Amino acid sequence: GAGVSQSPSNKVTEKGKDVELRCDPISGHTALYWYRQSLGQGLEFLIYFQGNSAPDKSGLPSDRFSAERTGGSVSTLTIQRTQQEDSAVYLCASSLGLTSYEQYFGPGTRLTVT
Amino acid sequence: KQEVTQIPAALSVPEGENLVLNCSFTDSAIYNLQWFRQDPGKGLTSLLLIQSSQREQTSGRLNASLDKSSGRSTLYIAASQPGDSATYLCARRGGSEKLVFGKGTKLTVNP
Repeated sequence: GAGVSQSPSNKVTEKGKDVELRCDPISGHTALYWYRQSLGQGLEFLIYFQGNSAPDKSGLPSDRFSAERTGGSVSTLTIQRTQQEDSAVYLCASSLGLTSYEQYFGPGTRLTVT
Repeated sequence: KQEVTQIPAALSVPEGENLVLNCSFTDSAIYNLQWFRQDPGKGLTSLLLIQSSQREQTSGRLNASLDKSSGRSTLYIAASQPGDSATYLCARRGGSEKLVFGKGTKLTVNP
């Protein structure tokens, strides 16, 4: 079946612009996760959703970052007033449920802020 | 602070060799541990998931073990092939839903 998909695959934006990154989880997966992978920091957790609720937003680096999930499916990560340090690969994952379930990752969105 | 360490950072072996990748974590409170591979410019592919109640999991030529008491997991790859070349990441799920990742081991299998 179809895996996790993300769009766009690549995004180049100017400093100060807003960007939206999209994640389509595997059908039927109730949990959705956002991570960021950068050269200096490795893979870092940003936020997760159970259904449309986000119980843990602790990884969001600043209030410029926000995310939402609608219909228990698609999620959008929004970065406002982008900065060069936001350049990274943003990865989305989904799982059937919480805690004991395997997380499946999408191909990521490579964001470059110039 | 939750930390996950992977040693070595890079490994180069000849084709056919059996090898072990190591992962250690500082907090023994663990729900599960997941091993991934990442090919250059790609996302993560899940290889094995070990629950805290399990000691090991096997898939084909891969075997992963978990020792909670010592805070260690190993990924054993048998009869390595050039197609196994990738970065291997381990990730621990502890007291929250997030995965905490190590920085990975970059494996090169030479023909």
